[in-house]
Amino acid sequence: DAGITQSPRYKITETGRQVTLMCHQTWSHSYMFWYRQDLGHGLRLIYYSAAADITDKGEVPDGYVVSRSKTENFPLTLESATRSQTSVYFCASSGAGANYGYTFGSGTRLTVV
Amino acid sequence: GENVEQHPSTLSVQEGDSAVIKCTYSDSASNYFPWYKQELGKRPQLIIDIRSNVGEKKDQRIAVTLNKTAKHFSLHITETQPEDSAVYFCGRDTGNQFYFGTGTSLTVIP
Repeated sequence: DAGITQSPRYKITETGRQVTLMCHQTWSHSYMFWYRQDLGHGLRLIYYSAAADITDKGEVPDGYVVSRSKTENFPLTLESATRSQTSVYFCASSGAGANYGYTFGSGTRLTVV
Repeated sequence: GENVEQHPSTLSVQEGDSAVIKCTYSDSASNYFPWYKQELGKRPQLIIDIRSNVGEKKDQRIAVTLNKTAKHFSLHITETQPEDSAVYFCGRDTGNQFYFGTGTSLTVIP
């Protein structure tokens, strides 16, 4: 599991600020995903990427931007943070595609004040 | 629709008893159904999965069953132990996107 790392683990930011969450994997997995986890909503897909330079929206993409210039990195940017984006964010990767198991990172707990 | 209905949301069992969590879906294109376990403060981890061409799969005390006709699948944990206490998420996948259920908080009472 050390093959997928997220940073930072904890982040407090102010409303309106831009913040970037980092995700790095060492397996050269083609698929990478960003989820947010909130009480009562489970895990919701924000964005995913099938390969470098290919990204697509998930269930809750509004307010987020992603990029994938390199296979191993998949940063998630909140362009102008809002309190509703306070959540735990999980990055995940999969080697064979969306219909194989994911490996999750340790998560980033983001608080927007 | 896109959602996966997962029940119950909370479940308490005595140590040694069995626990069953059920998920239902409506998209017939779903072909992969994993289960994840998330302990408090930790990341979700895959514990078992099943594909649409299989009806049942077992791994020691854990089993998953799939009824494609009725569009539901279930996680069965036998001889539960305190370390089984966690939140369990089901998922479904169409090959393009993947959706999770809202989770079941399982408590095993010693």
